[in-house]
Amino acid sequence: GENVEQHPSTLSVQEGDSAVIKCTYSDSASNYFPWYKQELGKRPQLIIDIRSNVGEKKDQRIAVTLNKTAKHFSLHITETQPEDSAVYFCAASLTGTASKLTFGTGTRLQVTL
Amino acid sequence: EAGVVQSPRYKIIEKKQPVAFWCNPISGHNTLYWYLQNLGQGPELLIRYENEEAVDDSQLPKDRFSAERLKGVDSTLKIQPAELGDSAVYLCASSLASYNEQFFGPGTRLTVL
Repeated sequence: GENVEQHPSTLSVQEGDSAVIKCTYSDSASNYFPWYKQELGKRPQLIIDIRSNVGEKKDQRIAVTLNKTAKHFSLHITETQPEDSAVYFCAASLTGTASKLTFGTGTRLQVTL
Repeated sequence: EAGVVQSPRYKIIEKKQPVAFWCNPISGHNTLYWYLQNLGQGPELLIRYENEEAVDDSQLPKDRFSAERLKGVDSTLKIQPAELGDSAVYLCASSLASYNEQFFGPGTRLTVL
């Protein structure tokens, strides 16, 4: 089955700096890659996703890049703010739909003042 | 629009006792998922329903776990008997269809003593 690895497990940045979280996946058939943000004690919420027919997608301060050849994708957050502090999970879909998501182990992002 | 609703939010039981979790998906969402999230880990799929049919239950420990989605709307996940290792957050999610974004509920935090 699919295996998703996520790095780093914790990340601390100063407010205003950029944060980058990286994930690799094992199954070349995967072609849907969402990112979820989970605040402490709250539900995971989708913040951005990308499908394999594009290499990059941007939404305001958040961007995701995908390298299908290398089987890795990354989340980029620019101009970080304290409210960006949370755990971020990447995921990959084995069958090309959103149905069989395999999640990474999460990155705890701390944005300090 | 109301989100995915789960109850109870917290449950503490002794080992070997039964427990049940309830989920009400977003209205009109045909696909429903149950996930297990251990502390510091990403969600892991237990079972996926398309309407009332369980189309993927390969990760569900069927010796003690069971689930149902009568009438293709609400769903119940049951554990009987519970073990210490079942302590975790049980998340329910729904999507319009299997290829759409998944929306998560707030989860039920289970503690087995």
